[in-house]
Amino acid sequence: EIVLTQSPGTLSLSPGERATLSCRASQSVTSSYLAWYQQKPGQAPRLLIYAASTRATGVPDRFSGSGSGPDFTLTVSRLEPEDFAVYYCQYYGASPMWTFGQGTKVSIK
Amino acid sequence: QAQLVQSGAEVKKPGASVRLSCKASGYVFTNYFISWVRQAPGQGLEWLGIIKPASGTTSYPQKFRGRVTITSDTSTSSVHMELSSLKSEDTAVYFCARRGTVADYSHYAMDVWGQGTMVTVSS
Repeated sequence: EIVLTQSPGTLSLSPGERATLSCRASQSVTSSYLAWYQQKPGQAPRLLIYAASTRATGVPDRFSGSGSGPDFTLTVSRLEPEDFAVYYCQYYGASPMWTFGQGTKVSIK
Repeated sequence: QAQLVQSGAEVKKPGASVRLSCKASGYVFTNYFISWVRQAPGQGLEWLGIIKPASGTTSYPQKFRGRVTITSDTSTSSVHMELSSLKSEDTAVYFCARRGTVADYSHYAMDVWGQGTMVTVSS
């Protein structure tokens, strides 16, 4: 079973700064199956990125994804106040199986 | 637009079962899989299983096999998830989520989510 490890656990930044979030898989994986979500308190997760680098419908272009197995990155180029949230990476594996990372919290400095 | 609306909060005793509902609208129900994902208080996301509404075919991770049952009702465009033998550790928010279209790689992600249902297991 693939394990996703996200780092850092918490990222403290100011609005306007750049955020770089990491997701590392426990083995080589297919980038087509890697997604990123944003979750705000009391809300459901929102799909941001799929296939490692494709923005979902309506996602602002300040969000970008990159990388290839096992290392992936989510970048927010300039943080807006509404971007402070928890971010999860997710991988689709065989069987089928969906696995999530433990999350990175982006908090206001 | 596509939407998933879930049933209301539940409080159950240990050992009981809970059945949650998820009603789809705004898209062709039988064209998309539906998954269930849960989130314990202050914790991350955990996948519970998936159903293909068109056929009723399901798949569950090993951890939940035998304890989770997902069904669909095409007449009402609804999916149900039953979790049995409840324990305090099952206290969580339960989400239903639509698997993305087969037409692109969003098929390996979840593109529409319900609002979540809080399940509390307490004696």
